[in-house]
Amino acid sequence: DTGVSQNPRHKITKRGQNVTFRCDPISEHNRLYWYRQTLGQGPEFLTYFQNEAQLEKSRLLSDRFSAERPKGSFSTLEIQRTEQGDSAMYLCASPPEGGAGELFFGEGSRLTVL
Amino acid sequence: AQTVTQSQPEMSVQEAETVTLSCTYDTSESDYYLFWYKQPPSRQMILVIRQEAYKQQNATENRFSVNFQKAAKSFSLKISDSQLGDAAMYFCAYRPFNDMRFGAGTRLTVKP
Repeated sequence: DTGVSQNPRHKITKRGQNVTFRCDPISEHNRLYWYRQTLGQGPEFLTYFQNEAQLEKSRLLSDRFSAERPKGSFSTLEIQRTEQGDSAMYLCASPPEGGAGELFFGEGSRLTVL
Repeated sequence: AQTVTQSQPEMSVQEAETVTLSCTYDTSESDYYLFWYKQPPSRQMILVIRQEAYKQQNATENRFSVNFQKAAKSFSLKISDSQLGDAAMYFCAYRPFNDMRFGAGTRLTVKP
């Protein structure tokens, strides 16, 4: 257990619907990352928070995607008007205390868009 | 542009034998981190080993060791005495500052 919790673990939705994923990172850690992983590929960076500030966003994060981290604690990733191409595993990660650059990942939220 | 390249989509090893997974990366930075992550089927990413670029000594974690060649921008993972539980996708990752960038992965099969 890395201490990074994500839910729901699996979401099946119809195209055009909105979905929201939640991540609870290692407690009291300032930084939080979202990644997307499609089948057979490595994770791709989406966005990064330092406390409540969203400091960096990938070009992969279209305007249908929005991420928030109110109060610098948990984070949500919302996808509006889902498309079949959004089907993927969405991973949340945060650095462990005393770590040396590594990230600890949650188990991920798998999205299937029908 | 591809930052991290894993040229072996699949590898196979006999139980108790040794296998080496390859990784190359592209960077103009002098200080950064390199990692190998393991992802078992339908399970979360687990850190296997890390290397800081300013350290010349290759990192070792039990049966796992790396061959870090900074000039060649190469970072291979050696698994000794392979076990059935080592079967997984292995991802090489590079981290200069904030975001971590991953290769496409190598699927390792361990034969009993």
